[in-house]
Amino acid sequence: SQQGEEDPQALSIQEGENATMNCSYKTSINNLQWYRQNSGRGLVHLILIRSNEREKHSGRLRVTLDTSKKSSSLLITASRAADTASYFCATGLGTGGGADGLTFGKGTHLIIQP
Amino acid sequence: NAGVTQTPKFRVLKTGQSMTLLCAQDMNHEYMYWYRQDPGMGLRLIHYSVGEGTTAKGEVPDGYNVSRLKKQNFLLGLESAAPSQTSVYFCASSSRLETQYFGPGTRLLVL
Repeated sequence: SQQGEEDPQALSIQEGENATMNCSYKTSINNLQWYRQNSGRGLVHLILIRSNEREKHSGRLRVTLDTSKKSSSLLITASRAADTASYFCATGLGTGGGADGLTFGKGTHLIIQP
Repeated sequence: NAGVTQTPKFRVLKTGQSMTLLCAQDMNHEYMYWYRQDPGMGLRLIHYSVGEGTTAKGEVPDGYNVSRLKKQNFLLGLESAAPSQTSVYFCASSSRLETQYFGPGTRLLVL
């Protein structure tokens, strides 16, 4: 069963605007990861946030984690056309933080309008 | 450094045929994974391996078998393909139990 669920399913914004997408999960986690998938391609790891962290930054990406609400958000600032992709959150299937594989949500499809 | 590669990129099978998908990684990773992705869905784990010679079942293992005879290779086999196995298959590898590196995928169509 899928642990994470992203919201919204689809998001269309103008280039230069900020994009926010959310992820909710069901069980306790060691960490939560975000991946990007360009159309027809494999997934690319974006950022990992551990259960004892509340916020993490990487370039134009900002991820927050609220373990009390079992939710995470991914913010992409100053969006570019190249950010058009599907974004997935993922958590570990077992208790090893990902060694037993990851479970993914259905993703948020982000479209950046020029 | 090629990362994770998958062979073939695309394949069409008839129901009942068999085939093997090959995944190779050149990053010396211990952990390797096979996922499938269906339209509008996230990835689901089929099988995985935590080291050479070991394999384990994931969320959706039925109809698939795997082997990890060499550390750098992870094979996914379909003994008797069914239309329900039409999907995109992704292989991934990992060294620290966390970040996974994905291959470009294999598109499989079973008629």
